[in-house]
Amino acid sequence: SQTIHQWPATLVQPVGSPLSLECTVEGTSNPNLYWYRQAAGRGLQLLFYSVGIGQISSEVPQNLSASRPQDRQFILSSKKLLLSDSGFYLCAWSPLRAGLAYEQYFGPGTRLTVT
Amino acid sequence: AQSVTQLDSQVPVFEEAPVELRCNYSSSVSVYLFWYVQYPNQGLQLLLKYLSGSTLVKGINGFEAEFNKSQTSFHLRKPSVHISDTAEYFCAVSVASGSRLTFGEGTQLTVNP
Repeated sequence: SQTIHQWPATLVQPVGSPLSLECTVEGTSNPNLYWYRQAAGRGLQLLFYSVGIGQISSEVPQNLSASRPQDRQFILSSKKLLLSDSGFYLCAWSPLRAGLAYEQYFGPGTRLTVT
Repeated sequence: AQSVTQLDSQVPVFEEAPVELRCNYSSSVSVYLFWYVQYPNQGLQLLLKYLSGSTLVKGINGFEAEFNKSQTSFHLRKPSVHISDTAEYFCAVSVASGSRLTFGEGTQLTVNP
């Protein structure tokens, strides 16, 4: 069966510091990968998605970036965090063979607080 | 582009009462529809999905949803809720031609004793 991991689970960072969140998927190959953010009391905002190694699509212009150095690894980064970057970050995957329109499976999330 | 509207941001109910969480979508082409549940400080878990076939879809935890094409709706129902059903519920839609999922804003279901 497939599993998705995210770390760290929680993170408190000062404004202006760098960020690196990691997501890995096990038990599948060539997944589509996604990064979402949930601000407090808000819905899901799609930040990035990837259909393959090195292929990243950005949905929202911001000070965040994403990379996919390996097939099942997806990294979210920032060089300098802003207060507005606080939120709950969720990684998700979907089977490549199914296309982008099918269901996604979510990781446990990372709670980021920027102080 | 497709869109989805969850008509209620909060739904309070008593334990063992029935519940319906409403979801309407907008699309001019065939759609796929999904319901997810999110417990506090956790990721989203897929409850059920409609891709094709029977319009009544049964999911986990006793939930079901009915696809109504004429009313462009996909409401989620449960005949008797438990305290443990307290969570945020998200409806999502995509079009069959290959777009990404679009999520609604969520409905907070609170089950009171």
